[in-house]
Amino acid sequence: QSALTQPASVCGSPGQSITISCTGTSSDVGGYNYVSWYQQHPGKVPKLMIYDVSNRPSGVSNRFSGSKSGNTASLTISGLQAEDEADYYCNSYTSSSSHYVFGTGTKVTVL
Amino acid sequence: QVQLQESGPGLVKPSETLSLTCTVSGGSISDYYWSWIRQPPGKGLEWIGYIHYSGTTNYNPSLKSRVTISLDTSRNEFSLELTSVTAADTAVYYCGRGAGWWYYWGQGTLVTVSS
Repeated sequence: QSALTQPASVCGSPGQSITISCTGTSSDVGGYNYVSWYQQHPGKVPKLMIYDVSNRPSGVSNRFSGSKSGNTASLTISGLQAEDEADYYCNSYTSSSSHYVFGTGTKVTVL
Repeated sequence: QVQLQESGPGLVKPSETLSLTCTVSGGSISDYYWSWIRQPPGKGLEWIGYIHYSGTTNYNPSLKSRVTISLDTSRNEFSLELTSVTAADTAVYYCGRGAGWWYYWGQGTLVTVSS
Protein backbone atom coordinates (compact mmCIF):
# COMPACT_ATOMS: atom_id res chain seq x y z
CA GLN A 1 0.00 0.00 0.00
CA SER A 2 1.54 3.30 -1.12
CA ALA A 3 1.46 6.39 1.02
CA LEU A 4 -1.30 8.91 0.40
CA THR A 5 -0.16 11.81 -1.79
CA GLN A 6 0.32 15.25 -0.27
CA PRO A 7 2.06 18.32 -1.72
CA ALA A 8 5.61 18.57 -0.45
CA SER A 9 5.16 22.16 0.61
CA VAL A 10 2.53 24.86 0.96
CA CYS A 11 3.16 28.44 1.96
CA GLY A 12 1.09 31.44 2.89
CA SER A 13 1.26 34.83 4.54
CA PRO A 14 -0.01 35.54 8.04
CA GLY A 15 -3.78 35.89 8.06
CA GLN A 16 -4.27 34.00 4.81
CA SER A 17 -5.96 30.64 4.39
CA ILE A 18 -4.20 27.61 2.97
CA THR A 19 -5.37 24.14 2.05
CA ILE A 20 -3.38 20.91 2.15
CA SER A 21 -4.63 18.06 0.01
CA CYS A 22 -4.36 14.34 0.68
CA THR A 23 -5.11 12.17 -2.33
CA GLY A 24 -5.79 8.47 -2.18
CA THR A 25 -8.13 6.02 -3.84
CA SER A 26 -11.61 4.61 -3.42
CA SER A 27 -10.03 1.93 -1.22
CA ASP A 28 -8.96 4.44 1.38
CA VAL A 29 -9.77 8.17 1.46
CA GLY A 30 -12.68 7.90 -0.94
CA GLY A 31 -14.23 4.85 0.62
CA TYR A 32 -14.26 5.66 4.31
CA ASN A 33 -14.69 8.63 6.62
CA TYR A 34 -11.62 7.63 8.60
CA VAL A 35 -9.21 10.42 7.67
CA SER A 36 -7.16 12.14 10.35
CA TRP A 37 -4.61 14.96 10.27
CA TYR A 38 -1.51 15.58 12.39
CA GLN A 39 0.68 18.61 12.97
CA GLN A 40 4.33 18.03 13.82
CA HIS A 41 6.80 20.72 14.78
CA PRO A 42 10.51 19.86 14.39
CA GLY A 43 11.65 17.40 17.03
CA LYS A 44 8.18 17.18 18.55
CA VAL A 45 5.47 14.58 18.88
CA PRO A 46 2.71 14.64 16.24
CA LYS A 47 -0.49 16.34 17.39
CA LEU A 48 -3.95 15.25 16.31
CA MET A 49 -5.73 18.13 14.56
CA ILE A 50 -8.67 16.44 12.82
CA TYR A 51 -10.22 12.97 13.01
CA ASP A 52 -12.96 11.21 11.04
CA VAL A 53 -12.53 13.72 8.17
CA SER A 54 -13.85 16.84 9.87
CA ASN A 55 -13.98 16.45 13.64
CA ARG A 56 -11.76 18.63 15.81
CA PRO A 57 -10.49 17.34 19.18
CA SER A 58 -11.01 19.61 22.15
CA GLY A 59 -8.29 22.18 22.43
CA VAL A 60 -7.59 22.43 18.70
CA SER A 61 -8.19 25.87 17.24
CA ASN A 62 -11.27 26.28 15.05
CA ARG A 63 -8.94 27.79 12.45
CA PHE A 64 -8.29 24.18 11.45
CA SER A 65 -10.96 22.38 9.45
CA GLY A 66 -11.15 19.17 7.46
CA SER A 67 -13.20 18.03 4.51
CA LYS A 68 -13.32 15.39 1.80
CA SER A 69 -14.39 15.21 -1.82
CA GLY A 70 -14.09 11.97 -3.72
CA ASN A 71 -10.67 10.46 -3.18
CA THR A 72 -9.13 13.67 -1.82
CA ALA A 73 -9.23 14.91 1.76
CA SER A 74 -8.24 18.45 2.67
CA LEU A 75 -7.03 20.33 5.73
CA THR A 76 -7.67 24.07 5.68
CA ILE A 77 -5.90 26.48 7.99
CA SER A 78 -7.54 29.87 8.13
CA GLY A 79 -6.02 33.00 9.62
CA LEU A 80 -2.54 31.55 9.19
CA GLN A 81 -0.21 32.22 12.12
CA ALA A 82 3.54 31.83 12.57
CA GLU A 83 2.95 28.96 15.01
CA ASP A 84 1.23 26.98 12.25
CA GLU A 85 4.56 26.49 10.51
CA ALA A 86 5.11 22.75 10.79
CA ASP A 87 4.83 19.47 8.95
CA TYR A 88 1.34 18.06 8.42
CA TYR A 89 0.39 14.44 7.77
CA CYS A 90 -2.88 12.87 6.80
CA ASN A 91 -3.85 9.28 7.62
CA SER A 92 -6.59 7.02 6.36
CA TYR A 93 -7.98 3.57 6.83
CA THR A 94 -7.47 1.40 3.76
CA SER A 95 -9.40 -1.70 2.89
CA SER A 96 -6.28 -3.09 1.25
CA SER A 97 -5.30 -5.48 4.02
CA SER A 98 -7.46 -3.47 6.46
CA HIS A 99 -4.77 -1.21 7.81
CA TYR A 100 -3.85 2.45 8.07
CA VAL A 101 -1.64 4.53 5.83
CA PHE A 102 -0.10 7.98 6.29
CA GLY A 103 0.35 10.66 3.71
CA THR A 104 3.74 11.76 2.40
CA GLY A 105 3.68 14.90 4.53
CA THR A 106 3.46 18.61 3.76
CA LYS A 107 5.72 21.33 5.08
CA VAL A 108 3.78 24.51 5.77
CA THR A 109 5.79 27.71 5.66
CA VAL A 110 4.46 31.01 6.94
CA LEU A 111 6.03 33.78 4.88
CA GLN B 1 -4.58 12.56 32.07
CA VAL B 2 -3.42 9.59 30.02
CA GLN B 3 0.33 9.37 29.54
CA LEU B 4 2.39 6.95 27.49
CA GLN B 5 6.11 6.30 27.79
CA GLU B 6 8.27 4.20 25.49
CA SER B 7 11.28 2.33 26.81
CA GLY B 8 13.89 0.00 25.39
CA PRO B 9 17.37 -0.15 23.88
CA GLY B 10 18.43 2.78 21.73
CA LEU B 11 20.86 0.67 19.73
CA VAL B 12 20.19 -2.67 18.08
CA LYS B 13 22.53 -4.70 15.90
CA PRO B 14 21.55 -5.68 12.36
CA SER B 15 19.68 -9.00 12.12
CA GLU B 16 18.73 -8.82 15.81
CA THR B 17 15.33 -8.13 17.38
CA LEU B 18 14.12 -4.67 18.35
CA SER B 19 12.04 -4.74 21.54
CA LEU B 20 10.18 -1.76 22.97
CA THR B 21 7.63 -1.34 25.73
CA CYS B 22 5.01 1.37 26.18
CA THR B 23 3.86 1.99 29.74
CA VAL B 24 0.42 3.56 30.13
CA SER B 25 -0.44 5.72 33.13
CA GLY B 26 -3.54 7.72 34.04
CA GLY B 27 -5.86 5.12 32.57
CA SER B 28 -6.37 1.41 32.14
CA ILE B 29 -4.93 -0.46 29.22
CA SER B 30 -7.90 -2.81 29.46
CA ASP B 31 -9.80 -0.72 26.97
CA TYR B 32 -9.17 0.94 23.62
CA TYR B 33 -6.72 -0.01 20.90
CA TRP B 34 -2.98 0.59 21.30
CA SER B 35 -0.66 1.33 18.40
CA TRP B 36 2.95 1.65 17.34
CA ILE B 37 4.03 4.22 14.75
CA ARG B 38 7.55 5.02 13.59
CA GLN B 39 9.36 7.83 11.80
CA PRO B 40 12.79 7.42 10.19
CA PRO B 41 15.05 10.46 10.66
CA GLY B 42 13.96 13.23 8.32
CA LYS B 43 11.12 11.15 6.86
CA GLY B 44 7.39 10.64 7.27
CA LEU B 45 5.25 8.63 9.64
CA GLU B 46 4.60 4.92 9.19
CA TRP B 47 1.89 2.94 10.98
CA ILE B 48 3.31 -0.33 12.34
CA GLY B 49 0.25 -1.92 13.89
CA TYR B 50 -2.17 -2.08 16.78
CA ILE B 51 -3.45 -4.40 19.48
CA HIS B 52 -6.85 -4.37 21.16
CA TYR B 53 -7.09 -5.30 24.84
CA SER B 54 -8.99 -8.40 23.70
CA GLY B 55 -5.80 -9.52 22.00
CA THR B 56 -6.80 -8.72 18.44
CA THR B 57 -3.88 -7.44 16.39
CA ASN B 58 -3.45 -5.82 12.98
CA TYR B 59 -0.12 -5.13 11.35
CA ASN B 60 1.20 -3.12 8.41
CA PRO B 61 1.46 -5.63 5.56
CA SER B 62 4.97 -4.41 4.75
CA LEU B 63 6.15 -5.39 8.25
CA LYS B 64 3.73 -8.18 9.11
CA SER B 65 6.22 -11.03 8.79
CA ARG B 66 8.57 -9.39 11.32
CA VAL B 67 6.24 -7.68 13.82
CA THR B 68 4.58 -8.81 17.02
CA ILE B 69 2.61 -6.52 19.33
CA SER B 70 1.58 -7.86 22.72
CA LEU B 71 -0.23 -6.62 25.81
CA ASP B 72 0.38 -7.05 29.55
CA THR B 73 -2.68 -5.86 31.43
CA SER B 74 -1.12 -6.60 34.83
CA ARG B 75 1.65 -4.10 34.09
CA ASN B 76 -0.57 -1.73 32.08
CA GLU B 77 1.84 -1.87 29.18
CA PHE B 78 2.12 -3.12 25.63
CA SER B 79 5.15 -4.10 23.62
CA LEU B 80 6.62 -4.18 20.14
CA GLU B 81 9.00 -6.76 18.74
CA LEU B 82 10.52 -6.33 15.29
CA THR B 83 12.79 -9.13 14.13
CA SER B 84 15.68 -9.23 11.65
CA VAL B 85 16.21 -5.49 11.75
CA THR B 86 18.28 -3.57 9.20
CA ALA B 87 19.43 0.02 8.96
CA ALA B 88 16.09 0.82 7.32
CA ASP B 89 14.42 0.18 10.68
CA THR B 90 16.29 3.08 12.29
CA ALA B 91 13.57 5.45 13.42
CA VAL B 92 11.85 7.23 16.25
CA TYR B 93 9.26 4.78 17.54
CA TYR B 94 6.05 6.17 19.04
CA CYS B 95 3.34 4.39 20.94
CA GLY B 96 -0.18 5.77 20.87
CA ARG B 97 -3.70 5.11 22.05
CA GLY B 98 -6.16 4.25 19.32
CA ALA B 99 -6.38 2.39 16.04
CA GLY B 100 -7.31 4.89 13.34
CA TRP B 101 -6.46 8.18 14.98
CA TRP B 102 -4.15 9.00 17.84
CA TYR B 103 -4.79 11.74 20.37
CA TYR B 104 -2.43 10.39 23.03
CA TRP B 105 1.19 9.72 22.02
CA GLY B 106 4.36 8.77 23.84
CA GLN B 107 7.35 11.07 23.58
CA GLY B 108 9.01 8.72 21.12
CA THR B 109 12.26 6.82 21.39
CA LEU B 110 15.03 6.74 18.80
CA VAL B 111 16.20 3.28 17.89
CA THR B 112 19.34 3.04 15.78
CA VAL B 113 20.24 -0.15 13.97
CA SER B 114 24.00 -0.38 13.68
CA SER B 115 26.82 -2.77 14.43
